[in-house]
Amino acid sequence: AQSVTQPDIHITVSEGASLELRCNYSYGATPYLFWYVQSPGQGLQLLLKYFSGDTLVQGIKGFEAEFKRSQSSFNLRKPSVHWSDAAEYFCAVGPMFSGGYNKLIFGAGTRLAVHP
Amino acid sequence: GAVVSQHPSWVICKSGTSVKIECRSLDFQATTMFWYRQFPKQSLMLMATSNEGSKATYEQGVEKDKFLINHASLTLSTLTVTSAHPEDSSFYICSAGYEGASEAFFGQGTRLTVV
Repeated sequence: AQSVTQPDIHITVSEGASLELRCNYSYGATPYLFWYVQSPGQGLQLLLKYFSGDTLVQGIKGFEAEFKRSQSSFNLRKPSVHWSDAAEYFCAVGPMFSGGYNKLIFGAGTRLAVHP
Repeated sequence: GAVVSQHPSWVICKSGTSVKIECRSLDFQATTMFWYRQFPKQSLMLMATSNEGSKATYEQGVEKDKFLINHASLTLSTLTVTSAHPEDSSFYICSAGYEGASEAFFGQGTRLTVV
């Protein structure tokens, strides 16, 4: 079955500390991979995506993610967290074809809290 | 970037009434729009996919007679929650995509509360 697992429901880090949010997926083939961020009561903003090529992808707001096929993982990282990064983060997968944003399967999300 | 706008941002309605939520693509023509539902502190669940001029494709378990989706133009899709009940209270988010796009663009969401 196709699924996305974000093992950490809630993470708290200190401002300036590094961050890694985990994402594992189960998919029939190599999917398109996405990370989104959602502030309270808001829609989703795309942080980054992986389709092919370099397995380390850079996104907005200083985020990066690394695709590891052998581990079926797509973990999100940031070297130094800012208080404004506090939000809900969703990993998602989609089918690898044109329009691969179609029918995204989302993980349960990880809520990030940042301590000053 | 492409902008998707949802209206209203929040709505409170009485049980048994219907409420319509609009999703507009402001600066591109959306060939496909998606409607998601998000319960508090949970993930997004795809409800349906709509293509302009065609009937929406609903995900398994989603009542098509309760959640009416119309995608009459390339810039507008609507979700009507008919005969709403308190259990329909949720956060509804739309997204829109276009031919050749590598991502879908999300609206800001609509908080529906049925009292």
